[in-house]
Amino acid sequence: TQLLEQSPQFLSIQEGENLTVYCNSSSVFSSLQWYRQEPGEGPVLLVTVVTGGEVKKLKRLTFQFGDARKDSSLHITAAQTGDTGLYLCAGAYAGGTSYGKLTFGQGTILTVHP
Amino acid sequence: ETGVTQSPTHLIKTRGQQVTLRCSSQSGHNTVSWYQQALGQGPQFIFQYYREEENGRGNFPPRFSGLQFPNYSSELNVNALELDDSALYLCASSLGRGGGEQYFGPGTRLTVT
Repeated sequence: TQLLEQSPQFLSIQEGENLTVYCNSSSVFSSLQWYRQEPGEGPVLLVTVVTGGEVKKLKRLTFQFGDARKDSSLHITAAQTGDTGLYLCAGAYAGGTSYGKLTFGQGTILTVHP
Repeated sequence: ETGVTQSPTHLIKTRGQQVTLRCSSQSGHNTVSWYQQALGQGPQFIFQYYREEENGRGNFPPRFSGLQFPNYSSELNVNALELDDSALYLCASSLGRGGGEQYFGPGTRLTVT
């Protein structure tokens, strides 16, 4: 069974602070996605990382994929109240019985206070 | 470009009943995946359909079944509803088989009483 552990589960910070969310697995991913979800809505894709060691930036968000493709992190610089939401990492494992599915972490609920 | 749409938005059913949820994939996408998301949890994979055939299934009982149509839209059917089936059901579309980039619809909130 492939498990994807995401931490922390909850994060409550003040506007302007920095934060990092972690996503770890014992298995190798063929690709990993980060999503953001608002209450009552579906997850919205933020980024896909594929290559070990890859770093992608999306404005104030920096995504990193581990060299061994087993872990990833999301770093937000100078958080804003609009960043509030549920952040999910999801990994795709190549082949075998896992084919076709994304395995999601349990999510990080981020609250940014003004 | 049309995004992923799902219907209905909300649904209330009684234990033991059957339900059908519908999903229209994003234009140009030929693959649909279904997920169940309990409150406060990440989505759990139910199954995926690629070109009208099931292409991978998660740990859900056979009373969860699906279809994909020639226009790549899809249905999720759940028989003999149980209280624990109450959740947000998400449909995601993608291009090609596998677990790569998937684009989600807004979901259907199912409540079983």
